[in-house]
Amino acid sequence: GESVGLHLPTLSVQEGDNSIINCAYSNSASDYFIWYKQESGKGPQFIIDIRSNMDKRQGQRVTVLLNKTVKHLSLQIAATQPGDSAVYFCAENFLGDMRFGAGTRLTVKP
Amino acid sequence: DTEVTQTPKHLVMGMTNKKSLKCEQHMGHRAMYWYKQKAKKPPELMFVYSYEKLSINESVPSRFSPECPNSSLLNLHLHALQPEDSALYLCASSQETPYGYTFGSGTRLTVV
Repeated sequence: GESVGLHLPTLSVQEGDNSIINCAYSNSASDYFIWYKQESGKGPQFIIDIRSNMDKRQGQRVTVLLNKTVKHLSLQIAATQPGDSAVYFCAENFLGDMRFGAGTRLTVKP
Repeated sequence: DTEVTQTPKHLVMGMTNKKSLKCEQHMGHRAMYWYKQKAKKPPELMFVYSYEKLSINESVPSRFSPECPNSSLLNLHLHALQPEDSALYLCASSQETPYGYTFGSGTRLTVV
């Protein structure tokens, strides 16, 4: 069936650097996308979302980019901090059905 | 209150036991969800309730039985589970599907 996937399963960055986490989705009809952060032993925490009628959305230190032409989603984290270390999931939605990608583990080195 | 509360946080049960997981939210959300998450894997959708009615059932085995007594509560009844059912069970709710999705911290279930 259709699925959401990620290009990189792990990402290691130096504290203070910018991080980019990528996600490929396969359902061209998906109209809403969310990035989640999940720390060990906790539930997924909402980071930022974007609707399909937008290409870019910015939050505090985070930016989500959506390229519908190639069905690609990315999460950019500026000035990455040790507290950003976690697993990051993208999720796509179509008609209320939310599906998650495989996840990327981000490790921030001091 | 902007939280989804799940109880218990940890549960160990035998394969012949019957237990229930509980989920509660007081944000006025009308959609509630159960997800199953295995280690190092993404959450997998199990059930969706919209306005207290089951709207999506992702072909989950009948040993998992959801219940939505009212708009604030969601239960997952467990019976005759298998060791492979051990996982983190997550509850989520949203204002209207799918916006404002909020997850609870989950119940860590171990079947022995």
